[in-house]
Amino acid sequence: DAKTTQPPSMDCAEGRAANLPCNHSTISGNEYVYWYRQIHSQGPQYIIHGLKNNETNEMASLIITEDRKSSTLILPHATLRDTAVYYCIVRPAGDAGNNRKLIWGLGTSLAVNP
Amino acid sequence: DAGVTQSPTHLIKTRGQQVTLRCSPKSGHDTVSWYQQALGQGPQFIFQYYEEEERQRGNFPDRFSGHQFPNYSSELNVNALLLGDSALYLCASSLGPDKYEQYFGPGTRLTVT
Repeated sequence: DAKTTQPPSMDCAEGRAANLPCNHSTISGNEYVYWYRQIHSQGPQYIIHGLKNNETNEMASLIITEDRKSSTLILPHATLRDTAVYYCIVRPAGDAGNNRKLIWGLGTSLAVNP
Repeated sequence: DAGVTQSPTHLIKTRGQQVTLRCSPKSGHDTVSWYQQALGQGPQFIFQYYEEEERQRGNFPDRFSGHQFPNYSSELNVNALLLGDSALYLCASSLGPDKYEQYFGPGTRLTVT
């Protein structure tokens, strides 16, 4: 099963874009990249997921490199409420409900500063 | 639209005791998964319930058991508590067992002394 590598911490100024990198160099062709975040004292919150193409929703954009070995989560205009731990996870596309294969790392602790 | 709720929010138990944690899924969701999150770590999958049956299980001993009720709510039971069971226990719900997107509750903080 693929694992991910993320920087332990990052800082971002309020109002600027936050770019959170994730390395998943051993990802298989049928594995999706998922992003969740966890604000202090709360449960994780789903952000976005993708397979090959870049994805965008109301929360963020996900940029996946052509070789799929890495991805970047972009929060276009970070606010103080975006301060959280961000987790990058990979999971098989053909086995969507198999939570056994979800490996949550330590994530990136993002601090958005005023 | 009610989100995922968990009770209690905090709990203190002694080694060897048993504990029951409860979860109500998001309205309309029928699948519940349980996770354990130690301090400073990411969540670890315990098991998933769908149609009142355990569908899949992570690497947790039999001391961890669960149940799902006809109204889709769920319980997590842990017997013979160990100090190492101290953690945040998270419940997540989804619409069907094969959905990627899960909605998490705020968790129950269990402390074993």
